[in-house]
Amino acid sequence: KQEVTQIPAALSVPEGENLVLNCSFTDSAIYNLQWFRQDPGKGLTSLLLIQSSQREQTSGRLNASLDKSSGRSTLYIAASQPGDSATYLCAVTGFQKLVFGTGTRLLVSP
Amino acid sequence: DTEVTQTPKHLVMGMTNKKSLKCEQHMGHRAMYWYKQKAKKPPELMFVYSYEKLSINESVPSRFSPECPNSSLLNLHLHALQPEDSALYLCASSLQGTAVAYEQYFGPGTRLTVT
Repeated sequence: KQEVTQIPAALSVPEGENLVLNCSFTDSAIYNLQWFRQDPGKGLTSLLLIQSSQREQTSGRLNASLDKSSGRSTLYIAASQPGDSATYLCAVTGFQKLVFGTGTRLLVSP
Repeated sequence: DTEVTQTPKHLVMGMTNKKSLKCEQHMGHRAMYWYKQKAKKPPELMFVYSYEKLSINESVPSRFSPECPNSSLLNLHLHALQPEDSALYLCASSLQGTAVAYEQYFGPGTRLTVT
């Protein structure tokens, strides 16, 4: 059974810092990996999708990497802003199924 | 239009009520999903519809009954729920739900409270 873990569970940083969120998964037989953002009580916003054949994806200040063989992904956020405060979830895709990680709650203070 | 819509936003129901949640997308996606999310927990998959047919039921109790009337619409019928069913119910869609996994787009969710 696929298990997805995210470290740290919570992170508090001052505005402007660069930061790294980690995601690890136990079964490397995945089709892709998605990073999502979730604001309190809201739905999920897809940030980046990395196909299993890719090593990284970039969107603006976000960069996600994937090392399928070691079962790891990282989300790098450059020059963090208070508006980045949210819970970040990684999710790996098997056949038709998305398995979510435990999430990292990020707080960026002004 | 890259939006998944869900109605209602909030729902309060008693344990003897029958209610329905609705999800709609007009992106031409042929796979649609229901997830349940408890507070401070990640979403958990409940059902997957692929080409309007139920393809995955994650051993969900029968008091939850999904329905996919057409390729754009997904319903979740609720009956005789328990207080522990209170959660955020999220709908998602993707281009297809086959072996090649496509990006999933999520709706804003319905906050359900069972009293």
